[in-house]
Amino acid sequence: DTGVSQNPRHKITKRGQNVTFRCDPISEHNRLYWYRQTLGQGPEFLTYFQNEAQLEKSRLLSDRFSAERPKGSFSTLEIQRTEQGDSAMYLCASSLGGLTGELFFGEGSRLTVL
Amino acid sequence: GENVEQHPSTLSVQEGDSAVIKCTYSDSASNYFPWYKQELGKRPQLIIDIRSNVGEKKDQRIAVTLNKTAKHFSLHITETQPEDSAVYFCAADQTSGTYKYIFGTGTRLKVLA
Repeated sequence: DTGVSQNPRHKITKRGQNVTFRCDPISEHNRLYWYRQTLGQGPEFLTYFQNEAQLEKSRLLSDRFSAERPKGSFSTLEIQRTEQGDSAMYLCASSLGGLTGELFFGEGSRLTVL
Repeated sequence: GENVEQHPSTLSVQEGDSAVIKCTYSDSASNYFPWYKQELGKRPQLIIDIRSNVGEKKDQRIAVTLNKTAKHFSLHITETQPEDSAVYFCAADQTSGTYKYIFGTGTRLKVLA
């Protein structure tokens, strides 16, 4: 499968622990996005990268969240000192950018904070 | 900032009937409007999109219309089939060219056989 892959698919953690999610985009895609989706809601934008540069972060993203894309390929999203409100599906998407707007989503990483 | 409202939240139709889902947006600068379909437990996938220089776009049984003046756009599915059952999300491009979408809250479509 040459689509966007994310791992782990599921993560259960205790409040206060740190978690890290990884996203491997489609290889030729230079843009990478992180979204968060809670039950019954649409995906909510968190941040995006053009190659290795992080171009924007949502104001909703607290200082406990950090994302990297060190070599312009895979990306990691780390959440420090997790809270129960962080429980959600974290979706990664990639795109070619330019004139095409299509985002190709991964299957997501579901986080449950106990 | 941009805000996207989507209605209805749930929609049940008989197989073969049409379904219409409506969205409104607030930022007049938005110029790209995609629709994504998310089946249960699966990733969202693009089904159709429209740019602000076009009023309507059709792809087989799916069409999208855009009214820039009123700032609303709609998804039309004709001759619905059970496999159309899913959650549909509209979105608007918040900042032109970044494809940093603001999504609506979704419509759960159920097609009854």
